[in-house]
Amino acid sequence: KAGVTQTPRYLIKTRGQQVTLSCSPISGHRSVSWYQQTPGQGLQFLFEYFSETQRNKGNFPGRFSGRQFSNSRSEMNVSTLELGDSALYLCASSLGGSGGRSSEQFFGPGTRLTVL
Amino acid sequence: AQSVSQHNHHVILSEAASLELGCNYSYGGTVNLFWYVQYPGQHLQLLLKYFSGDPLVKGIKGFEAEFIKSKFSFNLRKPSVQWSDTAEYFCAVNPSLGGTASKLTFGTGTRLQVTL
Repeated sequence: KAGVTQTPRYLIKTRGQQVTLSCSPISGHRSVSWYQQTPGQGLQFLFEYFSETQRNKGNFPGRFSGRQFSNSRSEMNVSTLELGDSALYLCASSLGGSGGRSSEQFFGPGTRLTVL
Repeated sequence: AQSVSQHNHHVILSEAASLELGCNYSYGGTVNLFWYVQYPGQHLQLLLKYFSGDPLVKGIKGFEAEFIKSKFSFNLRKPSVQWSDTAEYFCAVNPSLGGTASKLTFGTGTRLQVTL
């Protein structure tokens, strides 16, 4: 079974621009979660999409948004980029149930975003 | 809100030494517990998980962890580390029940360096 894939793997943008990251979950997984990883803040939850609806949200500003398509693929968008948005953005997929194995998350390789 | 503490930020061990990494969590309800590993240049991989049942769980590559409910702890152990275990280790929790099960809360990570 193919793992979680993320595109692109690397991005360089300048302040003020916007960026869209893509994530394809494991086949059969209906939940996609996004995380930001930085040396200073560690791994922080951004949001989760399940059946095309945002089900959970972390403490990030509205510049960070996402969506999920009917095939469970998800995109994350960051508008008006700031230097502090430089990070590794990780996508994780799961079956999406509320307990046990259905909540187990499998991570993709991440997209390394650099904001200049 | 749930939180996870990893007390060891950087651990240096010689090959064949025993390893124990501490993890404590704060949450008022029942949780699922995970240890993830991130090898240099690679994506997060699941080492082991605890959902319920036997509090001593075994994972891949000879790792094990023990859930002690009274101490809110889920420490990771390995009897004899290898140079290839050099990586960053993350403890994570999510609620067992309810719609927030996909919201993983991570500890700050422990960087393990194994010397020859």
